[in-house]
Amino acid sequence: QKEVEQNSGPLSVPEGAIASLNCTYSDRGSQSFFWYRQYSGKSPELIMSIYSNGDKEDGRFTAQLNKASQYVSLLIRDSQPSDSATYLCAAGLGLEYGNKLVFGAGTILRVKS
Amino acid sequence: DVKVTQSSRYLVKRTGEKVFLECVQDMDHENMFWYRQDPGLGLRLIYFSYDVKMKEKGDIPEGYSVSREKKERFSLILESASTNQTSMYLCASSLSSDYEQYFGPGTRLTVT
Repeated sequence: QKEVEQNSGPLSVPEGAIASLNCTYSDRGSQSFFWYRQYSGKSPELIMSIYSNGDKEDGRFTAQLNKASQYVSLLIRDSQPSDSATYLCAAGLGLEYGNKLVFGAGTILRVKS
Repeated sequence: DVKVTQSSRYLVKRTGEKVFLECVQDMDHENMFWYRQDPGLGLRLIYFSYDVKMKEKGDIPEGYSVSREKKERFSLILESASTNQTSMYLCASSLSSDYEQYFGPGTRLTVT
């Protein structure tokens, strides 16, 4: 069973702080990783993709990938109350699995003003 | 921008009814997916399709079927709705060469 694991939270951070969200994945064959943001009652929205080891920055968001440790993280700098949401981590399975993604259950982030 | 639309945001059906959920994407994506999302269980893949008239079972296909007659449209069918199919249903699409999936707004289905 290929899995992605996340701490369910809630993770509470004060406004302006850095929020750090983490996930681990079980399939060593995974080469692509994604972070989705999901507001309550809404559908997931893709916010970051990462394919190579290291960091990838986009505005206030930084995704980090360590394939040796099978670990992916998302940092949100200068956290805002509007960042309060559930963050889903996903890993792409190999082409033999038809471009499917496996999703973690999500981490609830609460940014306190 | 990729746009994925779903036929209904909210739907209430009775046990035993046949239910059709439709999904349309406007970006010429080859791959389309149907998920359900339940509290504590996360996103679970029901079926996916990588081409017109092609379909593959996901992790929880029981009680569901799908249809893809045109590239842009992917339908999920509940042959005989049951109360345990009450859930949020999410459609997504992606390019064949890419894993990035884009989701529609979701349909919250209640079966009574």
